[in-house]
Amino acid sequence: SQQGEEDPQALSIQEGENATMNCSYKTSINNLQWYRQNSGRGLVHLILIRSNEREKHSGRLRVTLDTSKKSSSLLITASRAADTASYFCATVNGGSNYKLTFGKGTLLTVNP
Amino acid sequence: ETGVTQSPTHLIKTRGQQVTLRCSSQSGHNTVSWYQQALGQGPQFIFQYYREEENGRGNFPPRFSGLQFPNYSSELNVNALELDDSALYLCASSLATTVFNEQFFGPGTRLTVL
Repeated sequence: SQQGEEDPQALSIQEGENATMNCSYKTSINNLQWYRQNSGRGLVHLILIRSNEREKHSGRLRVTLDTSKKSSSLLITASRAADTASYFCATVNGGSNYKLTFGKGTLLTVNP
Repeated sequence: ETGVTQSPTHLIKTRGQQVTLRCSSQSGHNTVSWYQQALGQGPQFIFQYYREEENGRGNFPPRFSGLQFPNYSSELNVNALELDDSALYLCASSLATTVFNEQFFGPGTRLTVL
């Protein structure tokens, strides 16, 4: 079963613009992770935010977490054509701390 | 590149057949997890192996089984293949059974069942 739900399902922007993707989840979490997937290949870990954190930065990435609303957002600033990929949020629940529970993902297209 | 490798890259089977997929974990990682990703969906957890034992299992029938070897590499076996088993199969390796840190994924094996 899917825990997270990303919004929007697809996003198309121009190079240089910012891209924001949102993720909502249903149960309490230990942490939330964002992954990128290029063309149906392997997943690449982008950033992890723990349940007691509210914001985290890594390069051009900014992640926020609002546990009261059970939601997270991923912001990619100054996007590049190479950022074109699917982005997934994945949650870790305390009761099942051995697995990631993924959403359906957001397909981001950055046009040159 | 994560250092996690999977073989084969692509595979075509027919309904009812059996398939074995392989995963070599990143050096030093003792835990391997397997995920199934259907087209247009997010990955779904199948099971995890730690020290050659199954440590956790998702909502998959018993015809999905696995092995982990002393060198921490792993196999996923699927018996009596069904059309809905067509998917990308991903393995992920890590240092511990808990996913409190990033997971390192392989490139996946794309299985097509005809």
